[in-house]
Amino acid sequence: DSGVTQTPKHLITATGQRVTLRCSPRSGDLSVYWYQQSLDQGLQFLIQYYNGEERAKGNILERFSAQQFPDLHSELNLSSLELGDSALYFCASSPHGRNEQFFGPGTRLTVL
Amino acid sequence: DAKTTQPTSMDCAEGRAANLPCNHSTISGNEYVYWYRQIHSQGPQYIIHGLKNNETNEMASLIITEDRKSSTLILPHATLRDTAVYYCIVRGPDNYGQNFVFGPGTRLSVLP
Repeated sequence: DSGVTQTPKHLITATGQRVTLRCSPRSGDLSVYWYQQSLDQGLQFLIQYYNGEERAKGNILERFSAQQFPDLHSELNLSSLELGDSALYFCASSPHGRNEQFFGPGTRLTVL
Repeated sequence: DAKTTQPTSMDCAEGRAANLPCNHSTISGNEYVYWYRQIHSQGPQYIIHGLKNNETNEMASLIITEDRKSSTLILPHATLRDTAVYYCIVRGPDNYGQNFVFGPGTRLSVLP
């Protein structure tokens, strides 16, 4: 158990819909990262937040957005969902001054 | 970030040492070598990291060559539960605005 929690574990929705994935980092960790893992793309970095502010963006689509709240939990919002958005979405956190990222169990999103 | 090259797959007998190689010939002087593993769709799990000295923890040992162009992750007594995809990643020291770039990794199968 890494200490990072993600909800929900599974999500099934339809094309065109919008969903929100939630992540609670390890206690005290200020950085939160979001990754997407699909069958054909492997693990892809989406976005990083540090203490509420966006730090880095990766291959995140404009239909996706994220934020980190004052209590340090983060949400990833996916809108206008397409079949190709079906994937595992992982959140990771890391403590200030350290580079190891600790990953949550992921949310499996299925878009039908 | 420097690129890494790993074998696609490896087998190891249960109880024997598993030695997983990684080439990172373009590594920069301040870049660390990280190892993660992912067990069947679970979140990636941090194993170990190092800069130039060999490192050991409760999970594994990391041997980095003197020229730092390659490294080996050693699982001293592999068990069936070590069957996973192992990722070797090279990254700089500053975790502001940086993320992990996961390649395809090595699929390790521990055989009974």
